Amino acid sequence: QKEVEQDPGPLSVPEGAIVSLNCTYSNSAFQYFMWYRQYSRKGPELLMYTYSSGNKEDGRFTAQVDKSSKYISLFIRDSQPSDSATYLCAMSDGGATNKLIFGTGTLLAVQP
Amino acid sequence: GAVVSQHPSWVICKSGTSVKIECRSLDFQATTMFWYRQFPKQSLMLMATSNEGSKATYEQGVEKDKFLINHASLTLSTLTVTSAHPEDSSFYICSASSFRGGSAAFFGQGTRLTVV
Repeated sequence: QKEVEQDPGPLSVPEGAIVSLNCTYSNSAFQYFMWYRQYSRKGPELLMYTYSSGNKEDGRFTAQVDKSSKYISLFIRDSQPSDSATYLCAMSDGGATNKLIFGTGTLLAVQP
Repeated sequence: GAVVSQHPSWVICKSGTSVKIECRSLDFQATTMFWYRQFPKQSLMLMATSNEGSKATYEQGVEKDKFLINHASLTLSTLTVTSAHPEDSSFYICSASSFRGGSAAFFGQGTRLTVV
């Protein structure tokens, strides 16, 4: 079993839809959770960063962490064609190496 | 957000030559830098972790003599692909984070290496 599981998609939605992206994990030591967006042939861009359980909102993006279920989500409201990209979840136990464990990424296509 | 600059963004080299890729944190001190390799339509594969002033820690299966990593300062790390071969052609990405455990990592733009 992988430490972090993420549905690879592809996920296709119409413009304006609410998108839900999810990851599950097995390591209960993870405390720091991130979502990255990666456009083709570019480096990942940090979208959301959360610590422990709870919700965090930034514009059209909301990140949720449920540590009891070992489940994290990213919601995108009013999705736009420019949101079309691969979304990667990542997490860390905050140890000395600060190593991030990534999901495989979900490819999202927002149709105009 | 913090800015990480990676250079070059693409490079073509002949088989047997060496290529150096630079990763700079522009507006913060990066005590830890990570080097990844990414194949088409796949996720990031961590190659090595480097801390400023110490030797890099390589992931299992990554040849340390082939992929030389130097992290000489708090703002610069380099990856040198030595004696490159066509199978080394890939997308290489660096990321950098500050000292605090649990800090988010910020990524460079990536370098597309093609070995001919």
